Amino acid sequence: IAGITQAPTSQILAAGRRMTLRCTQDMRHNAMYWYRQDLGLGLRLIHYSNTAGTTGKGEVPDGYSVSRANTDDFPLTLASAVPSQTSVYFCASSDSTQNTGELFFGEGSRLTVL
Amino acid sequence: GQNIDQPTEMTATEGAIVQINCTYQTSGFNGLFWYQQHAGEAPTFLSYNVLDGLEEKGRFSSFLSRSKGYSYLLLKELQMKDSASYLCAGMDSNYQLIWGAGTKLIIKP
Repeated sequence: IAGITQAPTSQILAAGRRMTLRCTQDMRHNAMYWYRQDLGLGLRLIHYSNTAGTTGKGEVPDGYSVSRANTDDFPLTLASAVPSQTSVYFCASSDSTQNTGELFFGEGSRLTVL
Repeated sequence: GQNIDQPTEMTATEGAIVQINCTYQTSGFNGLFWYQQHAGEAPTFLSYNVLDGLEEKGRFSSFLSRSKGYSYLLLKELQMKDSASYLCAGMDSNYQLIWGAGTKLIIKP
């Protein structure tokens, strides 16, 4: 089934630990994004990548890093997790050559940092 | 600064019509999006407006007024499955999306 896959679906993590959230898409979309969603707030962009080999910082990049070695994969790494990083993380992709720029989202990764 | 405002919560009756409003302030403007998000699920695309006017898509319609920085999502013939959060997002001059906090729509029988 074509789409965007995230893993893990849910994770509880001790503060200070390193964590990588995985994201893979098979739609050959050039652009990919990582958002976090917190209650009462809109989706906030962490990092993005307009094409393989390039990445950029979003609104809330501190404490996170990404890589885009190829078109399909866009992992998000928390080098040393802190409780404020407890959130639901969504990976998304888009074909930015299309006028609508519609985003396709993964199912989300719920992360709890204790 | 950039900002998207939409009501936090709305309640409507099954079979009725509801209008969810959104006002936006973005640095430049490249369109206005609406997404639907059921509880515990990912957002899914509903509509995109870049020109003024009404776009109709089945039971859902979306309106844009660029001069007023205003959009609304109109849902007709409400069904219980329409209970969800509706996210408004404006695209700025850098083609980045600025998201509202979402409007939780509760449908009552």
